[in-house]
Amino acid sequence: AQSVTQLDSQVPVFEEAPVELRCNYSSSVSVYLFWYVQYPNQGLQLLLKYLSGSTLVKGINGFEAEFNKSQTSFHLRKPSVHISDTAEYFCAVTDISGAGSYQLTFGKGTKLSVIP
Amino acid sequence: NAGVTQTPKFQVLKTGQSMTLQCAQDMNHNSMYWYRQDPGMGLRLIYYSASEGTTDKGEVPNGYNVSRLNKREFSLRLESAAPSQTSVYFCASSVQENQPQHFGDGTRLSIL
Repeated sequence: AQSVTQLDSQVPVFEEAPVELRCNYSSSVSVYLFWYVQYPNQGLQLLLKYLSGSTLVKGINGFEAEFNKSQTSFHLRKPSVHISDTAEYFCAVTDISGAGSYQLTFGKGTKLSVIP
Repeated sequence: NAGVTQTPKFQVLKTGQSMTLQCAQDMNHNSMYWYRQDPGMGLRLIYYSASEGTTDKGEVPNGYNVSRLNKREFSLRLESAAPSQTSVYFCASSVQENQPQHFGDGTRLSIL
């Protein structure tokens, strides 16, 4: 069974500072990886996805993530955050090997608070 | 540009009452999902429908039933609501399984 661990439940950061939100997954097979963002009282929006190819993935709003297969990680980064980035971020993984279901497994989320 | 539409947005029920949450998507997606979101728990899959005519249990199916009415619509029913089902419920859809999912804005459900 696959699982996702988001190592920090809350991350405060000053405006214009860089940020990294950490995500590790456990799966012994090939995976697709996703980061979603949830603004208050809204649904989840896809930030970026890793399906194949380059391990550095660029998403919307200046975010990027790097897939590291040996460390089973998919950390999200942004070089300079804005107040508007304050939200909750979810990492998700799905097994694509065909051995199990193709359903997404979500981490428990990281709340990013950008301090003016 | 509706995407995934959920109704109602808010609902308060008494223990033992029943209700159906509605979800419709206009993106011609094959797969649809129901999740619940509780503080500190992330999203947990209740039921999903990989394609029209099929439904399967997810991680937390107890106390719920679903109906894939057609390709567009996927409803979630609580037959006898319990306080433990107080949560925010999200419907999502995707072109097919393991592809990026598109989410509705959620239904905030309180059970007293």
